[in-house]
Amino acid sequence: GAGVSQSPSNKVTEKGKDVELRCDPISGHTALYWYRQSLGQGLEFLIYFQGNSAPDKSGLPSDRFSAERTGGSVSTLTIQRTQQEDSAVYLCASRVNWGDYGYTFGSGTRLTVV
Amino acid sequence: TQLLEQSPQFLSIQEGENLTVYCNSSSVFSSLQWYRQEPGEGPVLLVTVVTGGEVKKLKRLTFQFGDARKDSSLHITAAQPGDTGLYLCAGPGGATNKLIFGTGTLLAIQP
Repeated sequence: GAGVSQSPSNKVTEKGKDVELRCDPISGHTALYWYRQSLGQGLEFLIYFQGNSAPDKSGLPSDRFSAERTGGSVSTLTIQRTQQEDSAVYLCASRVNWGDYGYTFGSGTRLTVV
Repeated sequence: TQLLEQSPQFLSIQEGENLTVYCNSSSVFSSLQWYRQEPGEGPVLLVTVVTGGEVKKLKRLTFQFGDARKDSSLHITAAQPGDTGLYLCAGPGGATNKLIFGTGTLLAIQP
């Protein structure tokens, strides 16, 4: 597609439920990133996928968070047993893996845990 | 740990005024990027600076990379309401060169 697509755009869930957030990156972009942004704040790195390499999971805040990227394209971020502190905007970005090109971000999924 | 501190955190000025936003670190970065984010959207890349001392201009926006590549600034001349948004600096860091983002500067331009 022309841009990075994320779904759903908004998600309200009850505490303790599991949620899945989807990211469809730009075709041909080999690198895919997930970030989390709390209200009006900077971006917190979560996880990075690059081609067939093992993902960089160093930013995942707990073992309730996991992500996968199927076929080098679509990625799903899963949060199990959601907590209120998980409420944030989850942003996905993709990038070509060469040069100084910046990230292209999706519009994010606003997650609210009630 | 590489950190990027931005100042000010929040700035509200009148249309037509000039302003400068700063991005500072104690670490050296191979390059720095600036993004602008509007409500409900993801950040959008404005510029990448890669050489110490480099200055890049984008219409009324002037970006500078410090000589030691530890800091950067964004200067806006004659601010317009359309400049309103969250400005983020970012640089590659860590073993996988993922982008580390600054703390952000929320800019509001009053008409």
